[in-house]
Amino acid sequence: GDSVTQMEGPVTLSEEAFLTINCTYTATGYPSLFWYVQYPGEGLQLLLKATKADDKGSNKGFEATYRKETTSFHLEKGSVQVSDSAVYFCALITLGGSSNTGKLIFGQGTTLQVKP
Amino acid sequence: EAQVTQNPRYLITVTGKKLTVTCSQNMNHEYMSWYRQDPGLGLRQIYYSMNVEVTDKGDVPEGYKVSRKEKRNFPLILESPSPNQTSLYFCASSLSHRNEQFFGPGTRLTVL
Repeated sequence: GDSVTQMEGPVTLSEEAFLTINCTYTATGYPSLFWYVQYPGEGLQLLLKATKADDKGSNKGFEATYRKETTSFHLEKGSVQVSDSAVYFCALITLGGSSNTGKLIFGQGTTLQVKP
Repeated sequence: EAQVTQNPRYLITVTGKKLTVTCSQNMNHEYMSWYRQDPGLGLRQIYYSMNVEVTDKGDVPEGYKVSRKEKRNFPLILESPSPNQTSLYFCASSLSHRNEQFFGPGTRLTVL
């Protein structure tokens, strides 16, 4: 079945460091890809999305590019802030085939801690 | 403000006492869904609804019921809660099953 694999955390960085969180996926259909962020005690917020190969999603300084050839959607940010400390989830929705239900398939989440 | 709301946000109950968690969205979205989040198991879909009066099981539907009588509301019903349903529950909605989903703030349920 479809799946998402994220790098394990926690990831601890100093403020202004470069961030990469790796995400790879397996899908039989034509997935749309997402990054969600969960701040402590809160719900999931959509951070960015990409719906087809080579699309780049971006928001709040975060970027991710849909790479079909490597089945990856790595999250990057050039300079992290303390306020970026949260759990980040990579997710997909498969469109087409028998999995056309709209179900979001999530990775396990990666905890990011940014220290001043 | 466009949003998904859930109530209650926190609930402690006892085994067997029926409860309902409400979910409402004001974005005229067709698709709505319930997920539960558990440590080590991640987020899993419980039920979803493609539109009014159309609901279907997700990956972990046992012990839950839903209804979709109006477009904006999608309540989650636990007719006889058990301790293994202690979890953090999220409602989500989207324009259609093809689009990004927007999540409510979550309901933390404890069943004693």
